[in-house]
Amino acid sequence: DIVMTQSPDSLAVSLGERATINCKSSQSLLYDSNNKNYLAWYQQKPGQPPKLLIYWASTRESGVPDRFSGGGSATDFTLTISSLQAEDVAVYYCQQYYSSVTFGQGTTVEIK
Amino acid sequence: QVQLQESGPGLVKPSQTLSLTCTVSGGSVSNGTYYWGWIRQPAGKGLEWIGRIYTSGINNYNPSLKSRVTISLDTSKNQLSLKMSSLTAADTAVYYCARVDYSDTNAFDIWGQGTMVTISS
Repeated sequence: DIVMTQSPDSLAVSLGERATINCKSSQSLLYDSNNKNYLAWYQQKPGQPPKLLIYWASTRESGVPDRFSGGGSATDFTLTISSLQAEDVAVYYCQQYYSSVTFGQGTTVEIK
Repeated sequence: QVQLQESGPGLVKPSQTLSLTCTVSGGSVSNGTYYWGWIRQPAGKGLEWIGRIYTSGINNYNPSLKSRVTISLDTSKNQLSLKMSSLTAADTAVYYCARVDYSDTNAFDIWGQGTMVTISS
C-alpha cells in the first residue's frame, strides 16, 4: 500500500498570510505514460463532507478560489493557501489514486 | 446536478452486518466514465477508503477490510450499496459515498453528506 504522510498535523496562520501543507508519499505518484501525478487535495469543514480542491496535483477544481494552489511531483507535494481567509479554517487531506486509494492523516488549519 | 444521499440504520449490534445504500440523483450510476466509492471517518479522525465499484462491476477494496466488505450497484434503482460484516465498535464512523469521474479529475469530486453508524449493543 502507498502510505501518505502529511506535515504538519496542524498549523496556525494569521489572516492574510500564507499556509503551506506538505504531503509525502511512500512511492512515486507520477505516471510516466501521461506525466501526471495521481494526487488530490480536499478541504473538510466541521459537519461537512470533504470538498475536492485540487487534482492531478496542481489542477484546481472548478469554483475553487485561486488562492489555493497545488505543487510538487513524484513523492513530495504541497498545498498552499496564498492568503488565508477565515473561511479556510478546515482540515485538509491529500489522497493518492495512483494505486488504489489512500488518504493522508489530515492537517488542521487554524487562525493565529 | 448530481447528488448522492446515503441511508441506512444508525445503530447496529456488534457481530452483525451493516447495509448502507447510496442513492444517486441527477445522473446515472451506469455512466461508463464513473466509478463509485465508499469512504468512512470515525469521529475526530481521518478518512479511510473502504472500496469502489466500476460500472463494469469490477471492485477494489481496502486490503484491511476486504474480507468483510461487499460493494454493489443496482442500476434499476440508481443506487450503490455497501455491506460490511462482523462489525465491531471500531467500525463506528460516518460513512460517505462518493463519485470519481475517471475521464476527468480521477478524484472524488462529488460526495454524499454522510450517514453516522454506531456499532453498539
